[in-house]
This record gives sequence, C-alpha cells and structure tokens, in this order.
Amino acid sequence: SQQGEEDPQALSIQEGENATMNCSYKTSINNLQWYRQNSGRGLVHLILIRSNEREKHSGRLRVTLDTSKKSSSLLITASRAADTASYFCATVHTGNTPLVFGKGTRLSVIA
Amino acid sequence: DTAVSQTPKYLVTQMGNDKSIKCEQNLGHDTMYWYKQDSKKFLKIMFSYNNKELIINETVPNRFSPKSPDKAHLNLHINSLELGDSAVYFCASSQATSGRFGTQYFGPGTRLLVL
Repeated sequence: SQQGEEDPQALSIQEGENATMNCSYKTSINNLQWYRQNSGRGLVHLILIRSNEREKHSGRLRVTLDTSKKSSSLLITASRAADTASYFCATVHTGNTPLVFGKGTRLSVIA
Repeated sequence: DTAVSQTPKYLVTQMGNDKSIKCEQNLGHDTMYWYKQDSKKFLKIMFSYNNKELIINETVPNRFSPKSPDKAHLNLHINSLELGDSAVYFCASSQATSGRFGTQYFGPGTRLLVL
C-alpha cells in the first residue's frame, strides 16, 4: 500500500504553542500535499511541496520534506483555537498516481 | 460563491434503494473526482474524470456509476445500496495545468447513511 501515515494520530496543545505533525510514505513521490478538515466539512488545501523542494512556508505553516527518509512534517506556529481540525498528508507517487491520503492527525488547540 | 458544491448534504435511505449525489464546480477546472471517507476518516479516491472522460476507476463496485454531462458536473449514482456504503462522499476538482493530481478543491461532502 502507498498510503502515508501521519504521526501522531491525535495532538492536544495550548493556544500559542507550536504543533508539529509528521507524515511518512513508502514509495517515491512527485509531490506531497497537506490538507485540513474541520469537523463536518470538506478538506481544504494548505500546501503542496514537490519532490525537489525541501521546505515551504505559508503564513504560520511550515512544511519540510525529506525524500531520503520518505517523510514530511507540518509545523503550525503560534496555534489558535481555530486551528483545531484534522490534518491529512496526501502523496502523488511517481507515475502520476491518484492522491493517496493518510489517516490524519486530529489537532485540538485549547484556549 | 461556492467553488465546489454537492447535493444533498445528508442522505438517509434504506438498503437496496438507488440514489444519486450531484456535484458542480464553478472553478473552470478540467478534472473532477469522487472520494469516499469512512467512519475512521480514511479518505480514498473512487473516480476521476478529465474533460468528461473517465481516467481513474479505483476498483469500485459497478453499483457505483459516475456520470459527467459536462466538465463542470460529476454526478454519482449508486444502485442497490448496502450498509457498507454508509460514509461521507466528497467531490473535488483540480486544474489540469497544476498537474493531473495537483491541488484539489473539495466540496462540503454528502453524508450517506444506509439503514
């Protein structure tokens, strides 16, 4: 299976703290994407990082990619209660396969 | 303006019935998708259409039949519903120029419950 694995499955932090979520995958990728899903809603795209990139930023989000370790991390700095959601990584593997989603990390930010 | 919309939002039905879910995107994208999210939040692609042409069918039972009347619409018809079909179904679209599987824009989901 090409399915990625997020770690941890659940994370609970205080508002203002940083949250780090990790994603590991098994086979070579073209790109890796992070999505957020609020409870009862659809997924919202956050960042796409290509296999030849090592780091990308978007506002309070920072994504890193280590293709040698087949892993990525999503860092949310200065978290807010509104960041409470599930976060999914999704990978497009070599050969332009369909997006393969991981099982997600449930983040709870406590005010 | 809703970029990707789905109807209905909730669908409760009896086993054995036939039902349809509609999806429309106003983003001008060429590629549309159907995903299924189970009770454990695992999201899996079912179908992908590019310019009304089926390009991905991920071993979905043939009780599920997608139909794309034009590139802005991708509907999902399900025959003979089974208990295991209960899930949240998401429609999504992406821009061909961002790569076939680039950034995806998701609809709000249709929560299907089969009794």
